[in-house]
Amino acid sequence: DIQMTQSPSLLSASVGDRVTLSCKASQNIYKYLNWYQQKLGEAPKLLIYYTNSLQTGIPSRFSGSGSGTDFTLTISSLQPEDVATYYCYQYNSGPTFGAGTKLELK
Amino acid sequence: QVQLKESGPGLMQPSETLSLTCTVSGFSLTSNGVGWVRQPLGKGLVWMGTIWAGGSTNYNSAVQSRLSISRDTSKSQVFLKMNSLQPEDTGTYYCARHRVYGFDYWGQGVMVTVSS
Repeated sequence: DIQMTQSPSLLSASVGDRVTLSCKASQNIYKYLNWYQQKLGEAPKLLIYYTNSLQTGIPSRFSGSGSGTDFTLTISSLQPEDVATYYCYQYNSGPTFGAGTKLELK
Repeated sequence: QVQLKESGPGLMQPSETLSLTCTVSGFSLTSNGVGWVRQPLGKGLVWMGTIWAGGSTNYNSAVQSRLSISRDTSKSQVFLKMNSLQPEDTGTYYCARHRVYGFDYWGQGVMVTVSS
């Protein structure tokens, strides 16, 4: 099984900050990587698919990059409504999620 | 618009069989896959299995021996059945539309507690 490792597990940032979340795969997953946002008490929401394609309706401050084993989700200017846990998800083989990065306001 | 809604019992006893239903609208089960994802309380997401547009299924190896996913296309419903429940099966169960590029629409989730 492909393991997905997210870092950091907890991130504190201020409104307006540029925020970067990391996800590493245990083997090459090419660009088959999504990012999901889950706010407290809600279902996950698809933000980005295939590494860097923005899902319809998602603000352009969210962007994704990477390939192979190393991937990044960037929020260009953090907003209060971005407080959530973010999960990466690989679908190259037997889909798996990372453990998540909890993003909070400083 | 695309919607999914899970339903099922909230409390189960150990060793019982869990039956959940996912009722979908806004898309066809014969053109789209639907998967189930579990989230233990306070923990991360785990894919459990998927039934694809053609009716074939794939399961997470960790639960494959206990899990069955089926559907009734005429009712736009997908079913999850999992036997031999244990307390560690406690969590929120989501169904989600499963496209080639992953899960794009999710239900609100249903909480299942396994306890004696």
